[in-house]
Amino acid sequence: EVQLVETGGGLVQPGKSLKLTCATSGFTFSNAWMHWVRQSPEKQLEWVAQIKAKSNNYATYYAESVKGRFTISRDDSKSSVYLQMNSLKEEDTAIYYCTRGFAYWGQGTLVTVSS
Amino acid sequence: DIQMTQSPSVLSASVGDRVTLSCKASQNINKNLDWYQQKLGEAPKLLIYFTNNLQTGIPSRFSGSGSGTDYTLTISSLQPEDVATYFCFQYNSGWTFGGGTKLELK
Repeated sequence: EVQLVETGGGLVQPGKSLKLTCATSGFTFSNAWMHWVRQSPEKQLEWVAQIKAKSNNYATYYAESVKGRFTISRDDSKSSVYLQMNSLKEEDTAIYYCTRGFAYWGQGTLVTVSS
Repeated sequence: DIQMTQSPSVLSASVGDRVTLSCKASQNINKNLDWYQQKLGEAPKLLIYFTNNLQTGIPSRFSGSGSGTDYTLTISSLQPEDVATYFCFQYNSGWTFGGGTKLELK
């Protein structure tokens, strides 16, 4: 059974950093292209970042809204993908989901950016 | 960037009704469109991929159609468990979600 479990969310002040983790199981992680998607309090879904597999040189892509502030990475030995979020803004407040190819999703982790 | 517009934003229907949800892209997306169902407090769930392909385990009352810029999700006979918000999603160029249609029971 495919499972994705996000952790690391919480309340953080504007300008601070947070790192999310998505631990996976039930599929060959090393071959998978992984994404982070977020959902705002207004329920709008927004693609955030993608990381490809080793065979694609771990290529990464970002939404313009997070480029230069967020970094996606992966550890194939741990079947995990990460999202390092720096210089957080109030508009980054959302539930963050990791997804394998948009067919399988985790339950999400809530990030609240507020002073 | 490709924009995705869903209509209506809220739809009220009765059990047994045939329901049609619409999604319009700002440019041709070559059928590279999925539909997702999201129930309260849950992650999105893939229903339909590449416009008209039913994901494994999804009831056959769900179907998708469309081409070019205009796409439709149809529920042939609405069931109480179908109450949810439905999102369309394009992956022809980048990845963009529609704003969602909230489906309620009348």
